[in-house]
Amino acid sequence: ETGVTQTPRHLVMGMTNKKSLKCEQHLGHNAMYWYKQSAKKPLELMFVYSLEERVENNSVPSRFSPECPNSSHLFLHLHTLQPEDSALYLCASSQGIAVSSYEQYFGPGTRLTVT
Amino acid sequence: DAKTTQPPSMDCAEGRAANLPCNHSTISGNEYVYWYRQIHSQGPQYIIHGLKNNETNEMASLIITEDRKSSTLILPHATLRDTAVYYCIVRGYSGGGADGLTFGKGTHLIIQP
Repeated sequence: ETGVTQTPRHLVMGMTNKKSLKCEQHLGHNAMYWYKQSAKKPLELMFVYSLEERVENNSVPSRFSPECPNSSHLFLHLHTLQPEDSALYLCASSQGIAVSSYEQYFGPGTRLTVT
Repeated sequence: DAKTTQPPSMDCAEGRAANLPCNHSTISGNEYVYWYRQIHSQGPQYIIHGLKNNETNEMASLIITEDRKSSTLILPHATLRDTAVYYCIVRGYSGGGADGLTFGKGTHLIIQP
């Protein structure tokens, strides 16, 4: 138990559906992250939020839309996804982004399958 | 962030110390060495990090060479539950930008009974 929860744990959606992934951290952290892990590939950073402001968008297609309503919650809204978007989506949090000694704590991930 | 090189896989007998090496020859002075591990299909788990000095916590020890060009993660008494992919990551402050982690392929550590 890392203090970062993600729901749902598994999601199957069609290419025309709209769904959202939710992440919540109970650590009092100020920064939150979305990562994507495709089969047999390293984790890829998608988005970074610091104090509810997006500070990095790592060339992610617009069919992925993040939202950070407060420092404890992070959403990833999904629409018109492609089968190649099937992956494990991981959320993480850290105390902040400005100091390189802030370790990140990861949630268990959402296993997404796009059919 | 500096690049790291790790062996793709290693075996270790249960109960023995597992020593996982990492090369980071281009590391700069303000970059930290982090270790994470990922058990199959779970989120990565933070293990330990250090800058110059050796570090120890309840999970592992981190030995960083004096020139900081390489490090070794030591799991003192490996158990079957330590079977995972271990990632060595060098991370520094990007000076105004965000600071996500850059994961490589890591070392797949297999603990043998």
